Amino acid sequence: ETGVTQSPTHLIKTRGQQVTLRCSSQSGHNTVSWYQQALGQGPQFIFQYYREEENGRGNFPPRFSGLQFPNYSSELNVNALELDDSALYLCASSLRGGGGSTEAFFGQGTRLTVV
Amino acid sequence: AQSVAQPEDQVKVAEGNPLTVKCTYSVSGNPYLFWYVQYPNRGLQFLLKYITGDNLVKGSYGFEAEFNKSQTSFHLKKPSALVSDSALYFCAVRNNAGNMLTFGGGTRLMVKP
Repeated sequence: ETGVTQSPTHLIKTRGQQVTLRCSSQSGHNTVSWYQQALGQGPQFIFQYYREEENGRGNFPPRFSGLQFPNYSSELNVNALELDDSALYLCASSLRGGGGSTEAFFGQGTRLTVV
Repeated sequence: AQSVAQPEDQVKVAEGNPLTVKCTYSVSGNPYLFWYVQYPNRGLQFLLKYITGDNLVKGSYGFEAEFNKSQTSFHLKKPSALVSDSALYFCAVRNNAGNMLTFGGGTRLMVKP
């Protein structure tokens, strides 16, 4: 098991609502990335946070937003939920510095169902 | 733009036999390649990576991968499969900025007793 923890593990929301997912990074890691994994597909990159700022974003609309805190933990917020947002949301932490970064270690994910 | 292809949705092997899970990639610049495994209702677990150096990379649980630059491939291999290896396997490439992994669609490995 990695030291990356996500909460909650499962969540059911209604279309149009807002949701916040949380992630604690592995000890010693300073970077957090978020991925969306739809059923039967590979994970898709949402964005990465480094030094509390967004450091790259995938092809996701602005209603997907995030935060990183001084302790390197992170939140993913999704506004105006749509049915297609139903997926497994994965958080990954890594250590960035010296011009490179370590491999990413993933949490167990949050299963979001939008009804 | 970078991309990863895993041409087989499913691979079936008998326990004790060698296994190969295929992956090809497309990226500008030097490739940084990874294999992850996912068990049911779980996150992704890191298996191995290629950054530079030897073309044969050894990883966790007896897995290894062979990097072939001319064929732009990074196939995952194991000499003797176990039933417990049955899972979903993802190949990924990291972009040059180092902030994004692009994953293939995954290959489901089924190891039969």
